[in-house]
Formats: sequence, C-alpha cells, structure tokens
Amino acid sequence: NAGVTQTPKFQVLKTGQSMTLQCAQDMNHNSMYWYRQDPGMGLRLIYYSASEGTTDKGEVPNGYNVSRLNKREFSLRLESAAPSQTSVYFCASSQSAGTSGYTFGSGTRLTVV
Amino acid sequence: GENVEQHPSTLSVQEGDSAVIKCTYSDSASNYFPWYKQELGKRPQLIIDIRSNVGEKKDQRIAVTLNKTAKHFSLHITETQPEDSAVYFCAASPYDKIIFGKGTRLHILP
Repeated sequence: NAGVTQTPKFQVLKTGQSMTLQCAQDMNHNSMYWYRQDPGMGLRLIYYSASEGTTDKGEVPNGYNVSRLNKREFSLRLESAAPSQTSVYFCASSQSAGTSGYTFGSGTRLTVV
Repeated sequence: GENVEQHPSTLSVQEGDSAVIKCTYSDSASNYFPWYKQELGKRPQLIIDIRSNVGEKKDQRIAVTLNKTAKHFSLHITETQPEDSAVYFCAASPYDKIIFGKGTRLHILP
C-alpha cells in the first residue's frame, strides 16, 4: 500500500519551461489536492478536485493548471515556469472533501532558475 | 474565503513542560479542524482533528479545544519530549477544502 505517490521528487527548470507534476493515490480516496509550501508561508492550496470529474481553484492558482485524469491520478502543470514558482509541492488525498484528514505525498522540490 | 491565523510562529519549551499553539479562523462555515506535524524534510502528518460538534478531544499527550463562538481552537501538548520538535500546522475546513495556518516551529529544549 503506497498511499500517495508523487513524481518527480526533485526538478530544476529554466524560466519559461513547462512541466507536469504527477500524483497518484491507491486508497480509493475521492478528493485530491495540490499545495505549495514556502518558508514562513505554510501550505497554500493551488487547486483541488473534490471528486472525480471536478476541479476548483484554491488560494494561489495563477500559473498552474490541473487534470483529474481518473479517480487515482491528479496532475499539476506549469505551462511557463517562473522563479516565483520555486517551492516544494505536495499532493494530498482524502476520503471526503473537507471532512476527513489528508494523506500527503512525499513532495516535489522544484527550482526555477 | 477562509483565513487561518496561527500563533506563535516559534515556540521554545523545556522538555517535560507543556506547549500551547493557538489558531483563529474567519469562516463560520468551517466545521472540521485538523492539526498536522511536519518534521524536517518530511511530509505533513495528521496528529489529531476535531469537529465542530465537539469542544475538546484528547489523544494521550495531545489535546485540542474548539470554541466555535469565538472562532478559536488550540493544540495542547503535555510532558513534551525531544521527538515533539517539529513544525505544527492548524487548519480549518469550510465546505470541500482545507486551509492551513502558517505553522509554529516548536523547539524542545533539553
């Protein structure tokens, strides 16, 4: 039972490049989330999917897009990376949106130069 | 939208003493309040949570209290140990997402 798996674990991008962060969960959870973590800023919600087939913006969605590919997978895309997107990205899942705790992935450390 | 304020940002306590972290939230629709612990370089992990129909919950050395009228909730850690050193996040859930506070770095002093 792997829980929530994120790939890659580390990535360096040049400004303007694009990339997709992958997230998959094997717990049959309905809801999935993408957060970014910056020093002193806590965990800020980028996008979320309360259930398969739905996606919604969070607190800091600008510069990102998401796809809920199926119940297991939720990807985050940076179309044109900027240095301000340097951060640690966490994917999380929960059984029911907003009423049960999250299981987090191990994170992706992204540096944009 | 929901806004969660957390205090203090840093807290140092002697081993064996108690630690208290306080949070406030803004959206009266929030009804689920989890707390997460994050050790250095690791992912956040859920340590305890409380729902709006409960005023207090305890799990061994950890307890949470909730005052819905005042929109306050707190984490209490008693008999602190070195392994309690970490960053702690409070969070509130309005509807279908969870909004986090900025975190409290807890140092346990020998």
